[in-house]
Amino acid sequence: AQSVTQLDSQVPVFEEAPVELRCNYSSSVSVYLFWYVQYPNQGLQLLLKYLSGSTLVKGINGFEAEFNKSQTSFHLRKPSVHISDTAEYFCAVSDVSSGAGSYQLTFGKGTKLSVIP
Amino acid sequence: NAGVTQTPKFRILKIGQSMTLQCAQDMNHNYMYWYRQDPGMGLKLIYYSVGAGITDKGEVPNGYNVSRSTTEDFPLRLELAAPSQTSVYFCASSYGTSGRAGDTQYFGPGTRLTVL
Repeated sequence: AQSVTQLDSQVPVFEEAPVELRCNYSSSVSVYLFWYVQYPNQGLQLLLKYLSGSTLVKGINGFEAEFNKSQTSFHLRKPSVHISDTAEYFCAVSDVSSGAGSYQLTFGKGTKLSVIP
Repeated sequence: NAGVTQTPKFRILKIGQSMTLQCAQDMNHNYMYWYRQDPGMGLKLIYYSVGAGITDKGEVPNGYNVSRSTTEDFPLRLELAAPSQTSVYFCASSYGTSGRAGDTQYFGPGTRLTVL
């Protein structure tokens, strides 16, 4: 079984400041890792994902995340945030194996990012 | 492409009533999913489908039923609504390839359901 922990439920940050949203996971098997964003009153959309290769993954809107296998982490970063980045961010994992249900996503509880003008 | 569409956007039910949440996708995706989102709890998988005629339970299936008669549609049925089913429901789809665990899931805008 997998689990995802997002260490901060809310993160306030001033506009143009850097931000890091933390995500740790626990799994007995290899996983794929995802960050999704949910803007107010909307569905989720993919920011970025790690499948293999370089551990630094770049996504949309200037976000990037780094996979750290030894620390089982996949933290999301942005060097300079904008008001439009105010949203809820979800970290998720799926099982790399090809068995039944391997494509199911396990989500963290989310981190609400509030960008302050 | 409209992507993933859901109807209705909002609904209030009385305890014991039934309803069907509609979900459709026009991306020719094989895999479809239903999630519920409760405040501070992230998303939990209710049911999923890997193709027409094939469905299976997710993490929280009790009180729900699904069917998948076509590739495009994946309705979620609540038979006897209970207050515990008050939630926001999201439908999602993904293409489904040999590397399916890494597929991106595309989400609909959600249905906000209140059971009183």
